[in-house]
Amino acid sequence: DTEVTQTPKHLVMGMTNKKSLKCEQHMGHRAMYWYKQKAKKPPELMFVYSYEKLSINESVPSRFSPECPNSSLLNLHLHALQPEDSALYLCASSQVGRVNYEQYFGPGTRLTVT
Amino acid sequence: AQTVTQSQPEMSVQEAETVTLSCTYDTSESDYYLFWYKQPPSRQMILVIRQEAYKQQNATENRFSVNFQKAAKSFSLKISDSQLGDAAMYFCAYRSFDNNDMRFGAGTRLTVKP
Repeated sequence: DTEVTQTPKHLVMGMTNKKSLKCEQHMGHRAMYWYKQKAKKPPELMFVYSYEKLSINESVPSRFSPECPNSSLLNLHLHALQPEDSALYLCASSQVGRVNYEQYFGPGTRLTVT
Repeated sequence: AQTVTQSQPEMSVQEAETVTLSCTYDTSESDYYLFWYKQPPSRQMILVIRQEAYKQQNATENRFSVNFQKAAKSFSLKISDSQLGDAAMYFCAYRSFDNNDMRFGAGTRLTVKP
């Protein structure tokens, strides 16, 4: 199983809503990532979890709150978002270590903030 | 910080022909990894090919090959016998040797003409 799944596929939320994005993998990977991708732009790294611990936070606003409850699951909690936060949110996973491990990407959640 | 530059926003190739996508990067590190990822329209990002900086031999995967010039910090992707299914956005990516932080170039949109 080389699949990373993400739910929901699409999400529309108002600026006062609270919602969560979910990501799951069963490849035994111990690194998981959140990226934000605007249209026709490359993915921008937001957070990295390594062994369920937050290892990289790319100065993301606090209205985005990541959570890694176990080695297979990664959540992104959203609160008080702005319209400019509308984007495709990609989750990825990989093995950890000083070797050339690729990242496996999920299909993404397309978020629209109204 | 490492930067990745893709100077060709769009490229076009005739079916069955060969096309080369350019990528340059800037780093002070001696050990690192380089990747080409493909993102078809509304579909998942998948790995095309990878290269370890310590390897002099250029990586190949079927119709895909790279020209890795470490001194010039250049990492181009050659697609031979182009197929309609190769049409996608192609991202060049850099990953440091000892962490999971991956940086993407701006991308090159490849069109394949029948």
